[in-house]
Amino acid sequence: GAVVSQHPSWVICKSGTSVKIECRSLDFQATTMFWYRQFPKQSLMLMATSNEGSKATYEQGVEKDKFLINHASLTLSTLTVTSAHPEDSSFYICSARDLAGGQDTQYFGPGTRLTVL
Amino acid sequence: GENVEQHPSTLSVQEGDSAVIKCTYSDSASNYFPWYKQELGKRPQLIIDIRSNVGEKKDQRIAVTLNKTAKHFSLHITETQPEDSAVYFCAASIGGSYIPTFGRGTSLIVHP
Repeated sequence: GAVVSQHPSWVICKSGTSVKIECRSLDFQATTMFWYRQFPKQSLMLMATSNEGSKATYEQGVEKDKFLINHASLTLSTLTVTSAHPEDSSFYICSARDLAGGQDTQYFGPGTRLTVL
Repeated sequence: GENVEQHPSTLSVQEGDSAVIKCTYSDSASNYFPWYKQELGKRPQLIIDIRSNVGEKKDQRIAVTLNKTAKHFSLHITETQPEDSAVYFCAASIGGSYIPTFGRGTSLIVHP
């Protein structure tokens, strides 16, 4: 299957700082990427849909000024957690939509564990 | 919007037994139903999916069934092995927009 990478795999930062997470589709172009947040032993919570060349669509309750998303190319989307606080600590996972070959499949990145002190 | 319910939340079986995880969805427009396996600390991996134009799909030891009328779909794992132990998520989405709604997950434990 297609490969999606995420960087960094983990990050520890101080409260008040900003953290950028990158999501890349390595062997396919993705016009649409998704950003999820996952708490321990819980399901994937969709935060926003990232569309190449346009503004992201945020889910209800997700602060767009807090979680900045940029999808500047067909292989890269970034999520920036601004002014991070301990309650932002979580596992953030991106996924990319692969439309090649007439299929419509979603592939996940390996996730980024964010810890805010 | 779509609502996906998944049961059970935890499933414990002996190696070699079968395991069944069930999901229901609310939006009759949903037509794509993937299943993901997530091992601890790792990414969800697509293991099988089904579209609404078929009722069953099989891939070796795993199979998925879909009942559109009742709006439910199930994952069946036969001859379970310890390496099948993981959290399994079902999802439902409407093709085209493809924004899946995930179930809460089922923690499958296969005892050797």
